[in-house]
Amino acid sequence: GQQVMQIPQYQHVQEGEDFTTYCNSSTTLSNIQWYKQRPGGHPVFLIQLVKSGEVKKQKRLTFQFGEAKKNSSLHITATQTTDVGTYFCPPISPSYGGSQGNLIFGKGTKLSVKP
Amino acid sequence: KAGVTQTPRYLIKTRGQQVTLSCSPISGHRSVSWYQQTPGQGLQFLFEYFSETQRNKGNFPGRFSGRQFSNSRSEMNVSTLELGDSALYLCASSLVGAGYGYTFGSGTRLTVV
Repeated sequence: GQQVMQIPQYQHVQEGEDFTTYCNSSTTLSNIQWYKQRPGGHPVFLIQLVKSGEVKKQKRLTFQFGEAKKNSSLHITATQTTDVGTYFCPPISPSYGGSQGNLIFGKGTKLSVKP
Repeated sequence: KAGVTQTPRYLIKTRGQQVTLSCSPISGHRSVSWYQQTPGQGLQFLFEYFSETQRNKGNFPGRFSGRQFSNSRSEMNVSTLELGDSALYLCASSLVGAGYGYTFGSGTRLTVV
């Protein structure tokens, strides 16, 4: 199945610093989704990228999909303590019969922010 | 609108017992998936249901089973519980089609003693 490597596994930043996490796949991805899980919480869908070279922004978060659709990144500008959590970029493994498929989670990137 | 509802939130069971967890998806979401989350293994896919049929299954023993009802609500069952089954069990629902993300419930925290 599809495997996506995410780096770094851990990142500690001072509040106000920028943060970037990268996802790299050995195969071409049809799309990529990003999720955030806060400590003690559940994953929350952030965004989906579909097009080659796509860039999407959500306030301080910028998501990019590589030209070859094999990598993606999430950049957070001026981190805040509310950004703490683990960020995942799980590929979707398709199922049969028209269903949505399932997410293949890796370890993600765990972000801690020092106030 | 209401999110994905999982019940119960917490559960303590004894080894050898069985347990049933429930998931009510967002209204209109027909795809329901289950995941197990542990500190050691992270988030692992259990199974996916769509239109009352299991569409995909992860690498878990047959003690783990599930089903989906006509109203898209889903249940998962774990029989002959083992200590290693202690985990957070998450349910996620989705509309079907490109561009739709998965909405996760808050999970059921199962502790096996």
